[in-house]
Amino acid sequence: NAGVTQTPKFQVLKTGQSMTLQCAQDMNHNSMYWYRQDPGMGLRLIYYSASEGTTDKGEVPNGYNVSRLNKREFSLRLESAAPSQTSVYFCASNLAGGTFFGQGTRLTVV
Amino acid sequence: AQSVSQHNHHVILSEAASLELGCNYSYGGTVNLFWYVQYPGQHLQLLLKYFSGDPLVKGIKGFEAEFIKSKFSFNLRKPSVQWSDTAEYFCAVNVKDTGRRALTFGSGTRLQVQP
Repeated sequence: NAGVTQTPKFQVLKTGQSMTLQCAQDMNHNSMYWYRQDPGMGLRLIYYSASEGTTDKGEVPNGYNVSRLNKREFSLRLESAAPSQTSVYFCASNLAGGTFFGQGTRLTVV
Repeated sequence: AQSVSQHNHHVILSEAASLELGCNYSYGGTVNLFWYVQYPGQHLQLLLKYFSGDPLVKGIKGFEAEFIKSKFSFNLRKPSVQWSDTAEYFCAVNVKDTGRRALTFGSGTRLQVQP
């Protein structure tokens, strides 16, 4: 039982490049989330998906898109990366009782 | 929208000292409350949670938290810290009884325990 799995763990992008962060959970959770973590700011919600086929904006959605491919997978796409998107990205899933986090993706945009 | 405040940004303690980390939230309705811990280089792990019932909640590794509704607070405590408690601690809330379970986090408190 792997829980929440994110790939890649590290990535360096040049400004303007695109990439997709992958996330999968094997706990049969309906809700999935993408957060970004920046020093002194805690975690901020980018997008979330309450169930397969639905997605909604969170607190900081600009510059990102998401896809809830199926119940297991929830991907985050940066279409044109900017230095302000340098951050650690966490995927999470939720069932009543608790939210479980992936190991994170450390993204640097140069 | 709800918000969470953690007033202590960086706390330095010696081993065996007692710990209390403050957390206040602003939301007029009913919330679920959480404390998460993040050890260096790792993901967030749930320490404890409060949904209802006894306002004094016990979690893993000897941590506990008390929900004081009148003060909108959910402070984290540990009677005697260890060097291995060095980590960043996040308080979080979500709104009860809605379809959206997304967490709102505080800015975190970095705890450094000196041997």
